[in-house]
Amino acid sequence: GQQLNQSPQSMFIQEGEDVSMNCTSSSIFNTWLWYKQDPGEGPVLLIALYKAGELTSNGRLTAQFGITRKDSFLNISASIPSDVGIYFCAGLNAGNMLTFGGGTRLMVKP
Amino acid sequence: DTGVSQDPRHKITKRGQNVTFRCDPISEHNRLYWYRQTLGQGPEFLTYFQNEAQLEKSRLLSDRFSAERPKGSFSTLEIQRTEQGDSAMYLCASSSLGFQRETQYFGPGTRLLVL
Repeated sequence: GQQLNQSPQSMFIQEGEDVSMNCTSSSIFNTWLWYKQDPGEGPVLLIALYKAGELTSNGRLTAQFGITRKDSFLNISASIPSDVGIYFCAGLNAGNMLTFGGGTRLMVKP
Repeated sequence: DTGVSQDPRHKITKRGQNVTFRCDPISEHNRLYWYRQTLGQGPEFLTYFQNEAQLEKSRLLSDRFSAERPKGSFSTLEIQRTEQGDSAMYLCASSSLGFQRETQYFGPGTRLLVL
């Protein structure tokens, strides 16, 4: 089963607000990835983190790889309606297998 | 770069039938992965190939499931004697060996419904 705890499970926010979500794990990962998935589609890569403590931005998105290598967070600033979707964290282990969190469903009210 | 493609996008079948899905990875990506995603859950790893060699298989992959990548390019995933519990989205991803920064890119998925 899944080893990553992702929270919150869902968020309903007003357009323009900032969003924060995080993932914690009982295991250490070498890489953390954040994906966004729209209904009926595959996950789309947003940000990849390769080093403990690393902070990376992609436009309005910022993600950090926790120092303990067991957690990561994703922030979205100034949300817009097209940010709606399900966000997944995923940890990559030495065996090249991704372990996913349960997802955060984001809803944005215009 | 056309991305990862999967075919078909949707499949409806009756219990007991066999189904086969195809995945074409990003060109020159030598690693290819299969994941399964059920409603409301994150994807779960099934198996992966490096070139034509199948290097890892999850316990989720029962003996009714078989995956191949005969020439190290496209891959097929076959499910024999389908059961209703096989209904899920089957996702394929690919990545490139040779860089320390492993990143997996996903296709659009094949949604399977077993009646």
